[in-house]
Amino acid sequence: KQEVTQIPAALSVPEGENLVLNCSFTDSAIYNLQWFRQDPGKGLTSLLLIQSSQREQTSGRLNASLDKSSGRSTLYIAASQPGDSATYLCATNDYKLSFGAGTTVTVRA
Amino acid sequence: EAQVTQNPRYLITVTGKKLTVTCSQNMNHEYMSWYRQDPGLGLRQIYYSMNVEVTDKGDVPEGYKVSRKEKRNFPLILESPSPNQTSLYFCASSFRQSSYNEQFFGPGTRLTVL
Repeated sequence: KQEVTQIPAALSVPEGENLVLNCSFTDSAIYNLQWFRQDPGKGLTSLLLIQSSQREQTSGRLNASLDKSSGRSTLYIAASQPGDSATYLCATNDYKLSFGAGTTVTVRA
Repeated sequence: EAQVTQNPRYLITVTGKKLTVTCSQNMNHEYMSWYRQDPGLGLRQIYYSMNVEVTDKGDVPEGYKVSRKEKRNFPLILESPSPNQTSLYFCASSFRQSSYNEQFFGPGTRLTVL
């Protein structure tokens, strides 16, 4: 059974600092890995999808890397803004999504 | 607009009163699934469907039923809801289960069972 872990559980940074969010997983036999953003009480917004054959994916200030051999993915958010405050979830995808518990990010103005 | 819709968005009900949460997608996706999200437990899959008339259990299927009679719809049925089914429910869809296909989520249904 896939186990997905996200560390740290919470993170508080001043505006402008770069964010580094970590995700680890136990089973490397995945189709892809997806990063989501969730605002309190709201739905999930897909941020990035990295296919199993890819090493990284970029969208604007966001960059995600994937190392299947070590079972790790990292989400980088450059020059953080207060609007980036949210919970970030990673999920591996084989025949279903297996989610980590998330990292709650607070960006202080 | 490509989207996954869920109804209702909020529901308060009583123990034992059957209910259905609807899910619909307009992207011609083959794969659809239901998740529940609980504090401290994260998101867990309830049921999934690879295509019309093909459904299977996820990690936490007890107390739930699903059907997939049309490609666009995947309703979640609680025959006899209990308080431990109070949760935030999400429906998701993707074109197919493969490397290329992104999962899209509905806005969520917050269910309270008294």
